[in-house]
Amino acid sequence: DQQVKQNSPSLSVQEGRISILNCDYTNSMFDYFLWYKKYPAEGPTFLISISSIKDKNEDGRFTVFLNKSAKHLSLHIVPSQPGDSAVYFCAASGGTGNMLTFGGGTRLMVKP
Amino acid sequence: GAGVSQSPRYKVAKRGQDVALRCDPISGHVSLFWYQQALGQGPEFLTYFQNEAQLDKSGLPSDRFFAERPEGSVSTLKIQRTQQEDSAVYLCASSLASGITDTQYFGPGTRLTVL
Repeated sequence: DQQVKQNSPSLSVQEGRISILNCDYTNSMFDYFLWYKKYPAEGPTFLISISSIKDKNEDGRFTVFLNKSAKHLSLHIVPSQPGDSAVYFCAASGGTGNMLTFGGGTRLMVKP
Repeated sequence: GAGVSQSPRYKVAKRGQDVALRCDPISGHVSLFWYQQALGQGPEFLTYFQNEAQLDKSGLPSDRFFAERPEGSVSTLKIQRTQQEDSAVYLCASSLASGITDTQYFGPGTRLTVL
């Protein structure tokens, strides 16, 4: 049973437009959420995080929104750039340990 | 500064062979994690160390998997009698402390292929 789900395996966006990546979770014990970006043959790189006491966190072009009642979070990238093309993983932690539980990833392609 | 390094980057093993995968965390990082990433999926937790103590091994899929971090720095993940279903990328991550908000920094992974 997947506790963190990313229902869109891929997303294609034009350069300069907004990219919106979505993530849903089922475990109500999760209280810290992260987004990682992964290029081929590299490990995941931390992008942005949000605590459950907040509903929004912004860092430059990246904003994460958390809707606890819906158990849903999203990552907005504005404006999208070709260098943003990568696989994005949503992850969550909390409850019994500090390990991360990951979603299956969304491949973002930003077209010039 | 130096990030998390892993070796070897690629490993091909025949079914039944034992393998050892090494992780060098960022210097001074207390916490070390191992994850397994199957093709087309997200990473899945295997085990967690705080310094030399293995505090959580709930994600290890079988008793063929064994991990150690004897001096609280370098860690080795050992897989005995490898099976084809062990083929995956094995990722190591470290964090400065042990809180859930401490960022986990990942190495590039070791891609294991079992023939």
